[in-house]
Amino acid sequence: AQSVSQHNHHVILSEAASLELGCNYSYGGTVNLFWYVQYPGQHLQLLLKYFSGDPLVKGIKGFEAEFIKSKFSFNLRKPSVQWSDTAEYFCAVRGTVNNDMRFGAGTRLTVKP
Amino acid sequence: GAGVSQSPSNKVTEKGKDVELRCDPISGHTALYWYRQRLGQGLEFLIYFQGNSAPDKSGLPSDRFSAERTGESVSTLTIQRTQQEDSAVYLCASSSQVADTQYFGPGTRLTVL
Repeated sequence: AQSVSQHNHHVILSEAASLELGCNYSYGGTVNLFWYVQYPGQHLQLLLKYFSGDPLVKGIKGFEAEFIKSKFSFNLRKPSVQWSDTAEYFCAVRGTVNNDMRFGAGTRLTVKP
Repeated sequence: GAGVSQSPSNKVTEKGKDVELRCDPISGHTALYWYRQRLGQGLEFLIYFQGNSAPDKSGLPSDRFSAERTGESVSTLTIQRTQQEDSAVYLCASSSQVADTQYFGPGTRLTVL
């Protein structure tokens, strides 16, 4: 069964700092990869996704993620964070054979104004 | 159109009682997922429905947990003989087979006293 590891439990940054959140997965086949975000008091929503093609994926609000197949990684990046990026970020992996989805434990990002 | 809805939004119950949680997916979405999110933790996959296929129940933590789905519409998650460790937010998500993006509901916060 696949698993997803998010290495950072809580990240604290100042505004304008650069962000990189790690995500590694374990799965024996082809996967689809996702980053979801949960802003305080809101539903989980999709930030970006990778199915195939260009391994550098751009999402909403200036976020991007790079799929590195050899490292089984899908790290999330943003060059300059804002206070409004304060949220919890979840990496997820979906196996394309059986369609099951697994989420990482999440990384809480706090951006100080 | 309307998003994923869940009811009730909050449920407080006594240990040993049974509870039913409801999820109304987005119309036309063939896939439906249930997750559990304990306080301060990530999403834990419970069960997955895809069309008329047999559900993937691999995430259900015990035989006290069960779920049903009527065709491609409403789903009910039932927890029998609730325990305090069942206290969590139960999230439902749906997706169309083609797009694969999961759309989440607001969740049901279950508190077992």
